[in-house]
Amino acid sequence: DQQVKQNSPSLSVQEGRISILNCDYTNSMFDYFLWYKKYPAEGPTFLISISSIKDKNEDGRFTVFLNKSAKHLSLHIVPSQPGDSAVYFCAALPIQGAQKLVFGQGTRLTINP
Amino acid sequence: DTEVTQTPKHLVMGMTNKKSLKCEQHMGHRAMYWYKQKAKKPPELMFVYSYEKLSINESVPSRFSPECPNSSLLNLHLHALQPEDSALYLCASSQIRAGGPYEQYFGPGTRLTVT
Repeated sequence: DQQVKQNSPSLSVQEGRISILNCDYTNSMFDYFLWYKKYPAEGPTFLISISSIKDKNEDGRFTVFLNKSAKHLSLHIVPSQPGDSAVYFCAALPIQGAQKLVFGQGTRLTINP
Repeated sequence: DTEVTQTPKHLVMGMTNKKSLKCEQHMGHRAMYWYKQKAKKPPELMFVYSYEKLSINESVPSRFSPECPNSSLLNLHLHALQPEDSALYLCASSQIRAGGPYEQYFGPGTRLTVT
């Protein structure tokens, strides 16, 4: 039972344009959501997070949107740069047991020059 | 400073060997984690230490033995592994504070190959 889903295994975007990565979740107990970026053979790098009491959080080129009623979040990257090419994981933490990160399957983002 | 370090970067071991993976953080985090990641899959939680005590064991086989000697160090002792245990082993750390979860910061991982 996959509680966090990233339905697009890959996404290709032109440099300078907006990249939108999507994530859906099924567990209404999730309270905190995170995005990680991962290059091959490296550990995931924390990008941005959002608490369930907010619907938007912005940090530079990265913005995360949360729609609790739809159990959906998205990561917007604008403008996209070649160095953004990586695998992006959506992750969630429950209210209870707030140490057990539940990851989605990841989306491979490729930024084309 | 959000750095978590792991050694070694690569490890090849036979099924009868005993080896250890090491992880260190100096961010004052009191929670430390071991994850296992197979190719094209997300990281899977193995163990969590909170205040140097084992708080979560995700039913990991006993051939993996974690240890937390102090608040900055985390070890994973390996013994009699199987080839299917070959994976990227990731260490992470986070703060602990009442009232909210915190983001976990990951190390670069140890690429383990069991022959």
